Amino acid sequence: EVVLTQSPGTLSLSPGQRAALSCRASQSVNSSYLAWYQQKPGQAPRVLIYGASSRATGIPDRFSGSGSGTDFTLTISRLEPEDFAVYYCQQYDGSSWTFGQGTKVEIK
Amino acid sequence: QVQLHESGPGLVKPSETLSLTCTVSGYSITSYYYWGWIRQPPGKGLEWIENIYHSGSTYYNPSLRSRVTISLDTSKNQFSLQLTSVTAADTAVYYCVHILTGPFYFDYWGQGTLVTVSS
Repeated sequence: EVVLTQSPGTLSLSPGQRAALSCRASQSVNSSYLAWYQQKPGQAPRVLIYGASSRATGIPDRFSGSGSGTDFTLTISRLEPEDFAVYYCQQYDGSSWTFGQGTKVEIK
Repeated sequence: QVQLHESGPGLVKPSETLSLTCTVSGYSITSYYYWGWIRQPPGKGLEWIENIYHSGSTYYNPSLRSRVTISLDTSKNQFSLQLTSVTAADTAVYYCVHILTGPFYFDYWGQGTLVTVSS
């Protein structure tokens, strides 16, 4: 099973700042099968990025994804008030899906 | 646009079986996609449970494999989860999901249903 470790656990930032969230895999992940999700309190998660770097439909371009192999990053270029939430990375290895434990982006 | 809606008991007793149904609208479950279940214990992260392909092929989280079953009901355009021998650790919000074939990510989610395991 591929274990995804996200860091930091919590990121305290102000609106307008840049956020960089890390997702590290216990073994190499096919970047085609790496996705990022945003979850707000009381809501289901929604996909932001798939294929490591492709934005899902309707996702603003301040969200970007990068990385390959075992190291992936979600970047939010300038935080908007609605971006404060929990973010999860997720991978598929051909037979199973796993999630990271999440990074909370909170208002400083 | 795919819409998913979970239904089932909100309270299950320990050692009993948790059963949930996901009703799909806007798309046929016999089409070229995967359907599945994810859960989230209160205040914790997301855990993938299981998926089923339109053909009936199934995929299970190894840690839950011995206790879970997923099935399709094509006549009702629904799919279902059964989790046996539940304990308090199975208390969670359960989401049914649609998986986009190819990139294999979860692109549509139900609103989630809280299932509490308690006597």
